[in-house]
Amino acid sequence: DAGVIQSPRHEVTEMGQEVTLRCKPISGHNSLFWYRQTMMRGLELLIYFNNNVPIDDSGMPEDRFSAKMPNASFSTLKIQPSEPRDSAVYFCASTEDRNVLTFGAGSRLTVL
Amino acid sequence: GENVEQHPSTLSVQEGDSAVIKCTYSDSASNYFPWYKQELGKRPQLIIDIRSNVGEKKDQRIAVTLNKTAKHFSLHITETQPEDSAVYFCAANGGGADGLTFGKGTHLIIQP
Repeated sequence: DAGVIQSPRHEVTEMGQEVTLRCKPISGHNSLFWYRQTMMRGLELLIYFNNNVPIDDSGMPEDRFSAKMPNASFSTLKIQPSEPRDSAVYFCASTEDRNVLTFGAGSRLTVL
Repeated sequence: GENVEQHPSTLSVQEGDSAVIKCTYSDSASNYFPWYKQELGKRPQLIIDIRSNVGEKKDQRIAVTLNKTAKHFSLHITETQPEDSAVYFCAANGGGADGLTFGKGTHLIIQP
């Protein structure tokens, strides 16, 4: 298996633009997590899905953030409109038991 | 929800010496405690984990201990080597329903 696949690896955009991050979990894993990593706040859980259903989105910072998982092999995290304080590395992770997470390589977002 | 505290934030040790990183957690329902290693610019990768029915687990130079009564767990690295330099994160699963909550990380520096 190729592991958890994220795209893009790097994104530079201007404030106010829409950003879409993508994730393909490991085949057979039934839970998917989106984390955000910054120096100040560390690794923060934004939202997670179980069997494609959002279970807990209490970590999503505000309404500008949204996430979807239309099927078992694809998820998106969207920020609209983006702001400079959204600059971070966004990790997607998947697991088959909600515990042993395998992370993707991350998407580094810079909002100017 | 779960809250995980991790200390120290930075740890510098001489090559060949031991390193110990400590974490405390708040949710007594947590029953899974992994440790992740993150090298600069890379994804977090699982290095060892322990479940609440075990007090200690060892894998070559790495060991983890768990004290459920006191709600703390520790990572021990013996005979440290330059490739051990990285950021280490502890985590707890808050009873399994909420994904993993991570500590803020420890930057381990191995001095030659």
